[in-house]
Amino acid sequence: ILNVEQSPQSLHVQEGDSTNFTCSFPSSNFYALHWYRWETAKSPEALFVMTLNGDEKKKGRISATLNTKEGYSYLYIKGSQPEDSATYLCAFGNSGGSNYKLTFGKGTLLTVNP
Amino acid sequence: NAGVMQNPRHLVRRRGQEARLRCSPMKGHSHVYWYRQLPEEGLKFMVYLQKENIIDESGMPKERFSAEFPKEGPSILRIQQVVRGDSAAYFCASSLAPMAGLLYEQYFGPGTRLTVT
Repeated sequence: ILNVEQSPQSLHVQEGDSTNFTCSFPSSNFYALHWYRWETAKSPEALFVMTLNGDEKKKGRISATLNTKEGYSYLYIKGSQPEDSATYLCAFGNSGGSNYKLTFGKGTLLTVNP
Repeated sequence: NAGVMQNPRHLVRRRGQEARLRCSPMKGHSHVYWYRQLPEEGLKFMVYLQKENIIDESGMPKERFSAEFPKEGPSILRIQQVVRGDSAAYFCASSLAPMAGLLYEQYFGPGTRLTVT
């Protein structure tokens, strides 16, 4: 059974604060690590997919890093805004022919207070 | 370009009834994935289909659950004789047809929340 852990479970920050959270995943049979942003009552929205150790991806104020050897990824948000409030999901895809079968963490719920 | 559509968004069924959940993939996508989110859990893979073919149903419960993706029309996840434990959010995702060596992103729908009373 693959285990994907996200921490913290929830996070409250003030507008303008920078923040980060963690996704831990198995360090063996790695294929890809996905980050999604999920607002209540909407579809999870793909943020990043990372495949190589040391990958860094950036989209506006959001960036992510990947360490496949130790099995973790960080998501960073610089200068948080209220519209960043959402649940951030990571999902692990393993190698071995079933990389489509994503294993999700339970998410980090971010609330940005104005 | 419309995203992945799911309907209904909310479905209430009594124990023993059938639930049918529909998923229309993004335009141009021929591959569909179903995931289930039980309360307090992460999304769990159920089944992977391409048109007229089930590729991987290893995450589907063996009984009462079935899925199809016909040549025409949406993908359907069907749950027969629902029980309270089937209450969950069911998400569909779609992608382009995977090609060797390439990773295609899965795009998710908004989910169907099934409540069994």
